[in-house]
Amino acid sequence: GQQVMQIPQYQHVQEGEDFTTYCNSSTTLSNIQWYKQRPGGHPVFLIQLVKSGEVKKQKRLTFQFGEAKKNSSLHITATQTTDVGTYFCAGPSTGNQFYFGTGTSLTVIP
Amino acid sequence: EADIYQTPRYLVIGTGKKITLECSQTMGHDKMYWYQQDPGMELHLIHYSYGVNSTEKGDLSSESTVSRIRTEHFPLTLESARPSHTSQYLCASSEHRSEQYFGPGTRLTVT
Repeated sequence: GQQVMQIPQYQHVQEGEDFTTYCNSSTTLSNIQWYKQRPGGHPVFLIQLVKSGEVKKQKRLTFQFGEAKKNSSLHITATQTTDVGTYFCAGPSTGNQFYFGTGTSLTVIP
Repeated sequence: EADIYQTPRYLVIGTGKKITLECSQTMGHDKMYWYQQDPGMELHLIHYSYGVNSTEKGDLSSESTVSRIRTEHFPLTLESARPSHTSQYLCASSEHRSEQYFGPGTRLTVT
């Protein structure tokens, strides 16, 4: 079946440092979504990428979709304590299932 | 804020009991999903629905069942709860291939 892996699994950074999480799929994705889940909360949608090589920015967050549409990355510049949480990528299979990645848990040390 | 609701939010129940977790959305979305998530871990899809009278099992083997009699309602039922069912259950809805809106989740503990 389809697999969506993320690395690293955990990341601790000092506040102000940058952070990147990588998402890799075993199959080509038609699109990829990113979600953030705060501790004790539920996943909240951040962004969707559709085109090969697409890059989107949301303030300090930069999202990329690989040329082969099998990988993606999320980069946060100058992390803040509000960035704490687990970041998940998610990609569609045939039909309407979405497979969530394994997630990267970010801890920001003040 | 997304209009998707789950009840109960927390449930502690004994082994062998039958339980139903409720999920409702007021956005008119055709697609609805149930995920199981252990603390700090990934989400596993256990059931999904394309619309009324349409339900499918996800990748994670589950002893639960679902129904979709109305667009807005997607309840999940466990006929006989076991300690291995202890987890968080998240319901979500979406339009075709677009973002998923998640409910607040039900934290289930089976003793």
